[in-house]
Amino acid sequence: KNEVEQSPQNLTAQEGEFITINCSYSVGISALHWLQQHPGGGIVSLFMLSSGKKKHGRLIATINIQEKHSSLHITASHPRDSAVYICAVRVDNDNNDMRFGAGTRLTVKP
Amino acid sequence: NAGVTQTPKFQVLKTGQSMTLQCAQDMNHEYMSWYRQDPGMGLRLIHYSVGAGITDQGEVPNGYNVSRSTTEDFPLRLLSAAPSQTSVYFCASSYSRLDGEFFGPGTRLTVL
Repeated sequence: KNEVEQSPQNLTAQEGEFITINCSYSVGISALHWLQQHPGGGIVSLFMLSSGKKKHGRLIATINIQEKHSSLHITASHPRDSAVYICAVRVDNDNNDMRFGAGTRLTVKP
Repeated sequence: NAGVTQTPKFQVLKTGQSMTLQCAQDMNHEYMSWYRQDPGMGLRLIHYSVGAGITDQGEVPNGYNVSRSTTEDFPLRLLSAAPSQTSVYFCASSYSRLDGEFFGPGTRLTVL
C-alpha cells in the first residue's frame, strides 16, 4: 500500500463546478504539499501545510493531522485548471524524505 | 532568476550508454534533489544533497550517481543505461529540506 493515496485518480468536471481532491497518508509528517503539473510537464508548488487551512485565489487546501487527511478544493473551476494535482508529504523522520501520491488528473470542460 | 534549469529536455540512449543530466539553480538553495516520474506512480526520490560536497541516496538510487561540487549545480549520471531507466526526470531545489521545492522543467529520457 502506498504511503500517500489520492482520490479520485481521474476527475472530469464542467466549468464552474466545485472540485475536491482528497489525499490520505499513513506516515508521520512535518508538512504536506499540493503540487500542480501542467500538461506540458512543469510542476508548480501550490501549497505547503502543516495544520489548518490555506487559501490562494480559487484554491483552498485543508489538512486534518489527526485523521491524516488533506483536501484540495477548487471553486468556480475553469478549463485552465486542467492539470494533474499531486499530494506530497514530508516524512517526519531522520531523512525528512518526500513521499508523493500518484496524482489526480483533472479535466475541466467548457 | 532562471529558477531551476535542466538540460537536455529530451534524450534517447541505447542500452549500456552513459550520460549526465544537468541541473542548475540560481536561487542559492542548499537542498537539491533528483526525482523520476513513471506512469501511474508518484515521483520517487533518486538522490539528494543538503549542500555542496554532501549527497545521499533516496528511494531508488541504483544505477545513478550524483555529485555536488558547487551550490548551483547537481548533475545526475547514468552509468550504464537500461530500459528500466526510461522515465521523466525532475530536478528540484529548496532553501532547506523542510521547505517547498522548486522544480525544473524535466528531462524525458528513453532507453532503447
